[in-house]
Amino acid sequence: DTAVSQTPKYLVTQMGNDKSIKCEQNLGHDTMYWYKQDSKKFLKIMFSYNNKELIINETVPNRFSPKSPDKAHLNLHINSLELGDSAVYFCASSQALPGLGELFFGEGSRLTVL
Amino acid sequence: DQQVKQNSPSLSVQEGRISILNCDYTNSMFDYFLWYKKYPAEGPTFLISISSIKDKNEDGRFTVFLNKSAKHLSLHIVPSQPGDSAVYFCAASAGTTSYDKVIFGPGTSLSVIP
Repeated sequence: DTAVSQTPKYLVTQMGNDKSIKCEQNLGHDTMYWYKQDSKKFLKIMFSYNNKELIINETVPNRFSPKSPDKAHLNLHINSLELGDSAVYFCASSQALPGLGELFFGEGSRLTVL
Repeated sequence: DQQVKQNSPSLSVQEGRISILNCDYTNSMFDYFLWYKKYPAEGPTFLISISSIKDKNEDGRFTVFLNKSAKHLSLHIVPSQPGDSAVYFCAASAGTTSYDKVIFGPGTSLSVIP
């Protein structure tokens, strides 16, 4: 019974395409996140939502658009994919607001842009 | 600008010995620190945390030490076990500020040799 699940786990696509990654958490948490782990292995926050409201929006190209239909779901849509978008994208959730308490991560979605 | 640094990309330790993973930070506003553990093809999982009002927190084989004046923390694993082989991420936040994001270090890959 996965706490934070994201799909797909692997995604290979061509430059210029549009793709989405979905995330769901069944922990009852109010806050959800998208993190990107780049080729240098740094985990960097992209977005955070609290009760469907965007509360953290890092300097991310506007080709990336998060959507939270309800507090258990946070999806990531990426338009006009570029080679540099290749990375592992992690969804996470927390009971507390960002900066407080632990994060629960999904297994990651490895995106490869050719 | 790397606010959380883990200067050792990798560490090898014999089973049964102590593993010491180090982390340095630059932002003096950070007051909440966490360690996460990550196995290949999985998301990071929370291991242990410490607030800046403490200098030590212990949980079983894992102990985190915080030296605020040196802006340094370390994770001690005693005794080390082969199952501890993973990438360990240090993370920090100015936790008392709402909506403040958690900043991750680049990780240290620990190998425990049987």
